[in-house]
Amino acid sequence: DIQMTQSPSSLSASVGDRVTITCRASQNIRNYLNWYQQKPGTAPNLLIFAASSLQSGVPSRFSGSGSGTDFTLTISSLQPEDCATYYCQQSYSSPRTFGQGTKVEIK
Amino acid sequence: QVQLVESGGGVVQPGRSLRLSCAASGFTFSTYTMHWVRQAPGKGLEWVALILSDGSNNYYADSVKGRFTISRDNSKNTLYLQMNSLRAADTAVYHCARETYSSSSHFFDSWGQGILVSVSS
Repeated sequence: DIQMTQSPSSLSASVGDRVTITCRASQNIRNYLNWYQQKPGTAPNLLIFAASSLQSGVPSRFSGSGSGTDFTLTISSLQPEDCATYYCQQSYSSPRTFGQGTKVEIK
Repeated sequence: QVQLVESGGGVVQPGRSLRLSCAASGFTFSTYTMHWVRQAPGKGLEWVALILSDGSNNYYADSVKGRFTISRDNSKNTLYLQMNSLRAADTAVYHCARETYSSSSHFFDSWGQGILVSVSS
């Protein structure tokens, strides 16, 4: 199985800050990498697919990059509504493994 | 609009069984691969199982293999998860999710709100 490792596990930043979350795959997954946002008590919501494609309706301050084993989710200007846990997921093979999550809080 | 609604959760004793359902609407259910994903209290997302659009093949996480069975009834637009020999470690919110293939990639673009399964004596 492909292991997905996110860092950091949590972070605290101020409104307007640029925030970066990284995700590393245990083997080459090309660009088969998705990012989800989950707020407490709700289902995950797709933000980015194919490493860098923005899902319809997602604010443009979210962006993704990377290929192979190393990927990044960037929030260009953190907003209060971005408080959530973010997960990466590989879709290169089954099982469709997730990273352990990164909790983003506002300072 | 796309809607996925889970049902069938609850409190069950260790070793017993439970069947979850996921009712789909707003899209052509029979053309999509479907998944179950769970989240234990305070923990991250754990993929559980998938089934292909025509039900011809499925795949399971090692943690549930041999105990859980995923199935679907395309005539009823419903996905199922039969859970046998339940353990305390299976306590979680269970989500069904639709997998879409686009731009040469696969991703979960629709999720149910989740249903709680609590395994306790």
